[in-house]
Order: sequence, then structure tokens, then C-alpha cells
Amino acid sequence: GENVEQHPSTLSVQEGDSAVIKCTYSDSASNYFPWYKQELGKRPQLIIDIRSNVGEKKDQRIAVTLNKTAKHFSLHITETQPEDSAVYFCAASTYDYKLSFGAGTTVTVRA
Amino acid sequence: DAMVIQNPRYQVTQFGKPVTLSCSQTLNHNVMYWYQQKSSQAPKLLFHYYDKDFNNEADTPDNFQSRRPNTSFCFLDIRSPGLGDAAMYLCATSARTGLLETQYFGPGTRLLVL
Repeated sequence: GENVEQHPSTLSVQEGDSAVIKCTYSDSASNYFPWYKQELGKRPQLIIDIRSNVGEKKDQRIAVTLNKTAKHFSLHITETQPEDSAVYFCAASTYDYKLSFGAGTTVTVRA
Repeated sequence: DAMVIQNPRYQVTQFGKPVTLSCSQTLNHNVMYWYQQKSSQAPKLLFHYYDKDFNNEADTPDNFQSRRPNTSFCFLDIRSPGLGDAAMYLCATSARTGLLETQYFGPGTRLLVL
């Protein structure tokens, strides 16, 4: 099955700086890569996703890049704000409609 | 408007006492999932339904069962809860349209086993 590794496990950044989270996957058949943000005690919420036919996608301060050859994808958050503090999960999916999650990254934005 | 609804939000049960968690959706999605999430960990898929077809994960304990009586509702039954089953249980849905679609999560039910 698919194996997704996520790094780092914790990330502390100064407000206004950028945050980068990296994930690698094992199954070359994976072709859908969502990122979820989960605040304490709340549900995971999709913040951005990318499909295998696209190399980069941006939504305001958030961007995701995908390198299919190297089997890795990354989340970039620019101009971080305190409300960006949360746990972020990457995931990968094939056509079996199941998500394989990374272990999560706890992001803390220092004011 | 709530799209994926889970009830109750908090559930307390006793060791070994059966418990049922419920999930409903207004999205008319044909795939519904149940995840278990323990503190500081990623959600772990227990099983999912594609319409009425049930798909169990290989490592899901027999203690966990599920029912999907119609498109809108799905239930998670824990037959004999143990202390290790205390967790957040998340329901999610997605549409199966030939493309891989987003999974939308409900707010979760936090289960406490005494």
C-alpha cells in the first residue's frame, strides 16, 4: 500500500515568515494530493489539493508543488499569521478512493 | 450549512458496553468513510462504503462494525469498547465521479471509555 512520510513533525516560525512542509510518497500510481489543516479539537479541513497533471497550485498565501518523478510534494505558507497555527496533514490517493495520510506537522506561529 | 453531521459530539461509555456513533450527510455523496484519530496522530481509516458496498481495512478490529442503511446515513458500532478505543471518530464523505474527489470531514465524535 501507499506510504506517505511527512517532515518536519514540528515547525515553529516567526509571524510573517514562510513555512514549508514536505511529503514523500511511495506509490507511483498516486495521483491526488490534498493538504488538510486541523485545529485543536476540530475536524480536518481541506486547504489545498493538487492532481498529478499539475506541478504547482497557489491559493493566496498557500501553494503546493508536486514533483512526480521524485515522488514528493510540498506545502508552502507565506506571510504566516497566528491563525495558521495548527496541525497540517498531507495525503496521497490513488483510484481506490482512500487517502494515505502523513503523520502530521504541528505548526506554531510566534507573534 | 452543515454538510457532514456527526452525533453525538461527545460520547461516554463503559468498558464493554456497546456504543453506536452516527453520521449523516447532505451532500449526496456515494462514498462514506469512518476514521479513528488518536491524539497527535493522523486519522486512521477503519472502513468505507461505496454506495452499499462495504470495504473493511485489513487491520480494523472485528470489534468495529458499520452500517449504511441509505445514502445519507452511516453508523459505527463498537461492540465491546476497550480503553484503547477512546479516540476521536471522524466520518468523511466524497463523491465518486471518475475523478478523485475531496473528502469532507464531519466534526467528529469524541469517545471516552470508562
